Formats: sequence, structure tokens, C-alpha cells
Amino acid sequence: ETGVTQTPRHLVMGMTNKKSLKCEQHLGHNAMYWYKQSAKKPLELMFVYSLEERVENNSVPSRFSPECPNSSHLFLHLHTLQPEDSALYLCASSQELASGYEQYFGPGTRLTVT
Amino acid sequence: AQSVTQLDSHVSVSEGTPVLLRCNYSSSYSPSLFWYVQHPNKGLQLLLKYTSAATLVKGINGFEAEFKKSETSFHLTKPSAHMSDAAEYFCVVSDNGAAGNKLTFGGGTRVLVKP
Repeated sequence: ETGVTQTPRHLVMGMTNKKSLKCEQHLGHNAMYWYKQSAKKPLELMFVYSLEERVENNSVPSRFSPECPNSSHLFLHLHTLQPEDSALYLCASSQELASGYEQYFGPGTRLTVT
Repeated sequence: AQSVTQLDSHVSVSEGTPVLLRCNYSSSYSPSLFWYVQHPNKGLQLLLKYTSAATLVKGINGFEAEFKKSETSFHLTKPSAHMSDAAEYFCVVSDNGAAGNKLTFGGGTRVLVKP
């Protein structure tokens, strides 16, 4: 256990559905991240939050909407997704946003868009 | 700008033999470097990290890596592979000159351990 939990672990949704992914860290960290892991592609950083403030949005389509209500929780709201959005979505946290701090990853949510 | 290249997409070893996973990086600043492991249907687990201290870094589960600035390499080794080492391994660089903790991941090396 890394101290980062994600729910649900698996999600199947249609292209017209709305769903949310949840991440919670129990490490007292100040920074949280969403990544997308697709088959045959390197991990892609989607969003970065520091002290509940979004500091980076890597050209992610607006059908992905993050929310960070406090430093322990991070959500990824999904709506009108496309089949190519099927992937493993990983949440991570680090003590600080500064470089050199390792990131701790959750187990991921396996998303399938039908 | 920073980038990471893992030179082998797949490595196959016999149990009890050494493991070598190769990684080359480029970075505009003094980098921090990490190796993560991902077992099937699991998240990423940190094996070890280098942050400008000793160039030979020891990690968990008997793994170690050596930072070689002249070769821009950070290869991961283990003297004796175990069946539980079968997983995918990611070399990661964090550019200490850039704003924030932005990690760049290599493409991964999938390790198969034969009995």
C-alpha cells in the first residue's frame, strides 16, 4: 500500500454517461496529480494540483474536468468520453511540488468507454 | 527540455541470473532520476531515486542503479532475478530547473523471469 487510494478500480461507461474518479491520499502531501496510461504509450501527465490549486493542465480535452476540494482528495469528472479515452488513470501525490520529491501512485482506475 | 529513453522494451532473464535495464536521459539541468516498477493491475511503486547525492543508489528488493553523468545513463541492475521481479519498469526524470515536479517517463521495459 502506498497511501494513495483510488475508486472505483474498474469503470465501464458509455459515451453519453457522466462519471467521476476519486483519489485520496493519506500521506499529508501537498501536491496531487492525474496521469493517463494507455497501451503502447508512455504515461501522460494530465493535471497537477498544489495546495488545492491547479498549476498545470497539459492540453487535456474539456471532457475531463478535475476537482481538488482539499489537499487529500482529487477527483476527475468525466463526460461525453470517446473510445480512445479508454485507459488506466493513475493518481499520484508528492510531499511538495518541487522537483526531486518522489511521487506515490495509487492502483489506478481501469476505464473502458463503449 | 527533458526526455528518457529505455533501450529495451522487453528483457527476458532466468531466475537467479543478473538483470540489467538500460536507461538514458537528457536534461537541461541537474536531474532527479527515479525507477518505478508496475506489477500487473497495480499502480507504480518507487524502487529508488537519485537526487545529486551518491551516484550509486540502492533501492528496495535488491535493486540498485548508477548515475553516470558522462554517459547520461541511469541503468538499473539486480544481481539475481526472482520470479516476483516479473513486471514493467519505468525510468523517470525530473528536471530540477523546471517549474514544479514534472516527471517524464520512459516507455517502460517489461521483464520476464523464466524458472
